[in-house]
Amino acid sequence: DGGITQSPKYLFRKEGQNVTLSCEQNLNHDAMYWYRQDPGQGLRLIYYSQIVNDFQKGDIAEGYSVSREKKESFPLTVTSAQKNPTAFYLCASSLFPGAGTDTQYFGPGTRLTVL
Amino acid sequence: LAKTTQPISMDSYEGQEVNITCSHNNIATNDYITWYQQFPSQGPRFIIQGYKTKVTNEVASLFIPADRKSSTLSLPRVSLSDTAVYYCLVVQTGANNLFFGTGTRLTVIP
Repeated sequence: DGGITQSPKYLFRKEGQNVTLSCEQNLNHDAMYWYRQDPGQGLRLIYYSQIVNDFQKGDIAEGYSVSREKKESFPLTVTSAQKNPTAFYLCASSLFPGAGTDTQYFGPGTRLTVL
Repeated sequence: LAKTTQPISMDSYEGQEVNITCSHNNIATNDYITWYQQFPSQGPRFIIQGYKTKVTNEVASLFIPADRKSSTLSLPRVSLSDTAVYYCLVVQTGANNLFFGTGTRLTVIP
């Protein structure tokens, strides 16, 4: 059963703590992405990676970090430097990044709440 | 990034056809138009994609006029389960980012 998995579904964090969100895909896609969604808003790109061991900042990278050591995995760390981390986080992957016909496949999301 | 403009919300009764129009005045020659659907607390899901004229799949139809400055997503005979947010995106060749605006919140009424 191919797809993207994210864990955990819900995550609670105390202020000042770092937390890592997991994203795994078995679609054999080269490109992976992390988005943040706030209530009633669209998606904003945090980081993306088009190939293993390489990643680029998106529009709102401050306070976040990523790694891409394996093709299947793209974990996101929300650091204590992120001022307002409470949000819904979505991971996606795609096969033809940069192509007009590219489509992204999304995971189920992780809802992070800072207490 | 090519921005799009679409209505913030729409209501429809069950069984009706729904048309959601998206404006994308600065679309470039190599850009494609893609629509996604998002249910609450889920990731967006690809619905349909097109370049010009008409595209149809088992879920929806996409109408794109000759000047490609707008597009219309058509959902035939909607049901309550079609209540969701629908995003219109212009996918630029060479871009590494997809711009998801606020989308159109469709509410289907019994």
